[in-house]
Amino acid sequence: AQSVTQPDIHITVSEGASLELRCNYSYGATPYLFWYVQSPGQGLQLLLKYFSGDTLVQGIKGFEAEFKRSQSSFNLRKPSVHWSDAAEYFCAVAPRSGYSTLTFGKGTMLLVSP
Amino acid sequence: EAGVVQSPRYKIIEKKQPVAFWCNPISGHNTLYWYRQNLGQGPELLIRYENEEAVDDSQLPKDRFSAERLKGVDSTLKIQPAELGDSAVYLCASSSLSGTSGGFQETQYFGPGTRLLVL
Repeated sequence: AQSVTQPDIHITVSEGASLELRCNYSYGATPYLFWYVQSPGQGLQLLLKYFSGDTLVQGIKGFEAEFKRSQSSFNLRKPSVHWSDAAEYFCAVAPRSGYSTLTFGKGTMLLVSP
Repeated sequence: EAGVVQSPRYKIIEKKQPVAFWCNPISGHNTLYWYRQNLGQGPELLIRYENEEAVDDSQLPKDRFSAERLKGVDSTLKIQPAELGDSAVYLCASSSLSGTSGGFQETQYFGPGTRLLVL
């Protein structure tokens, strides 16, 4: 069965520092890959997605993610974190077959220190 | 373009009471999902609709949960009776496909969720 692992439950980053959130997946074939962000009391907002092509994907709010097939990873990065980035981040996968259910990781809570 | 709309945003009820959640998807999105998100976890699928047909309800606890999507647009998720363990955030998402016959790609867009607390 497919699974998504986000090994870091919490991460604290100083404002202005760089950020990398890890995501590894277990799947029979390369799935579609997503990162969502959830601010306190809010729903999930799509940051970026990978379907095919360039393995470095640009998203909203200055985020990017890199797909590495050999490592079954899809890590999220941002060069300079802002206090407003404090939120919970979810990595998700879906099979390459039209409509399909997302499988989410357990999330990583990002805390930004001044 | 309006996003996915859910109501109510918050609901507090006593156990054994019924509760219902409503979702209006993005216009033109034929596929609708209900997810449940427990505290500290990622969302997990409850049910998926394609138009008015429930095509995946294998994770829906059918003894107490029911859902409907009349006319293939709005959807309602109901719990009767609610239990303490049902306290969670209930998220609705809708999606559409893009791409060609060589490969269709789906993106799901989520509503703000309904936060349910069962006392």
